[in-house]
Amino acid sequence: TAGITQAPTSQILAAGRSMTLRCTQDMRHNAMYWYRQDLGLGLRLIHYSNTAGTTGKGEVPDGYSVSRANTDDFPLTLASAVPSQTSVYFCASSDAAGISTDTQYFGPGTRLTVL
Amino acid sequence: GDSVTQMEGPVTLSEEAFLTINCTYTATGYPSLFWYVQYPGEGLQLLLKATKADDKGSNKGFEATYRKETTSFHLEKGSVQVSDSAVYFCALVLNDYKLSFGAGTTVTVRA
Repeated sequence: TAGITQAPTSQILAAGRSMTLRCTQDMRHNAMYWYRQDLGLGLRLIHYSNTAGTTGKGEVPDGYSVSRANTDDFPLTLASAVPSQTSVYFCASSDAAGISTDTQYFGPGTRLTVL
Repeated sequence: GDSVTQMEGPVTLSEEAFLTINCTYTATGYPSLFWYVQYPGEGLQLLLKATKADDKGSNKGFEATYRKETTSFHLEKGSVQVSDSAVYFCALVLNDYKLSFGAGTTVTVRA
């Protein structure tokens, strides 16, 4: 079982350009999440989705958008990238949204550099 | 707001040494507590968790006990191996599914 896949693995992007980070899970999990990981700050939640068709803002949503057209896919879009969005981005999923004990499963990450 | 504070690293140990990584939390209710581990070049994976006070989570020789009186969830392992070299994250979930992470502690174990 693949679990969660992310693409691309890494990317260098010019400031002002747009980009979509892809995330696909094959576990039929209801909830999906996007985090960014920055040194000394741990992981911070960007956006989340409780179930297909719904999304919500996390701790650091500005400059990012998401959609959840189906259960498996949860793309993250940067409409106009800025250097402060240089980070490692992780997608995650969990089985049942709203249950605080539920485990989240993480993808391998996308390393994005904005120049 | 709800938050987690964990011991700053990096931590460097010799094989078979005892490892402790301190984690304390601030929360308005009674959260579930987690330790996640990130091996080099990989995503995070759950190491262990505890869902209520006095629960002990354990996995791969690691243990952590949920201490409500001290609002702590310290991670311990009695004898580390080189393969335990990783970044360790303490995290909590309160009334929803949103994980709040600590900053992470980098552990390097030398042979």
